[in-house]
Amino acid sequence: GQNIDQPTEMTATEGAIVQINCTYQTSGFNGLFWYQQHAGEAPTFLSYNVLDGLEEKGRFSSFLSRSKGYSYLLLKELQMKDSASYLCAVQDSNYQLIWGAGTKLIIKP
Amino acid sequence: ETGVTQTPRHLVMGMTNKKSLKCEQHLGHNAMYWYKQSAKKPLELMFVYNFKEQTENNSVPSRFSPECPNSSHLFLHLHTLQPEDSALYLCASSQEIGGQYNEQFFGPGTRLTVL
Repeated sequence: GQNIDQPTEMTATEGAIVQINCTYQTSGFNGLFWYQQHAGEAPTFLSYNVLDGLEEKGRFSSFLSRSKGYSYLLLKELQMKDSASYLCAVQDSNYQLIWGAGTKLIIKP
Repeated sequence: ETGVTQTPRHLVMGMTNKKSLKCEQHLGHNAMYWYKQSAKKPLELMFVYNFKEQTENNSVPSRFSPECPNSSHLFLHLHTLQPEDSALYLCASSQEIGGQYNEQFFGPGTRLTVL
């Protein structure tokens, strides 16, 4: 079967760095997405990785290792507004997104 | 503003009611999706339309009936729902199916409660 695993909840301090991990087992791989979803709002796109390595975009970076079926989202200089759920999704061989359950990130002052 | 709108934002209905959810995208995309989001569960893909043709129906009960009259509009018709169908229903769109980079843009969702 297809499976995406990520921690249910994480807590971090304002100004700090946090890494959210995602492991996957899917039928085929056509890229991995990270989305951010604030409570009561739509998920919004953060990053896309299809090749191994690190993609940096401002305070957010995303890493992919296809051989290990592993990705992480790195958030630096955390701000209170970063409190949200972070969703990992893999595009399978049919170009459909398989989603993880999301990681709720709580930022404390 | 993501360019994808959904109405209504909140809906409470009885098990015998019939209602419809509406989604509209203003992004010129050719693929549209319905997802169900329940608390602490992964997004569940329900239906996919690509160029107005349904390409995916993930074993969704027949009490959910999609309609895609054109590439900009998507409906989800609901009838004789069960309390376990209470969830957030999200609509999304993307350029098309099959491209490697297929970012999906989401609407704000309809919070559905079935009594």
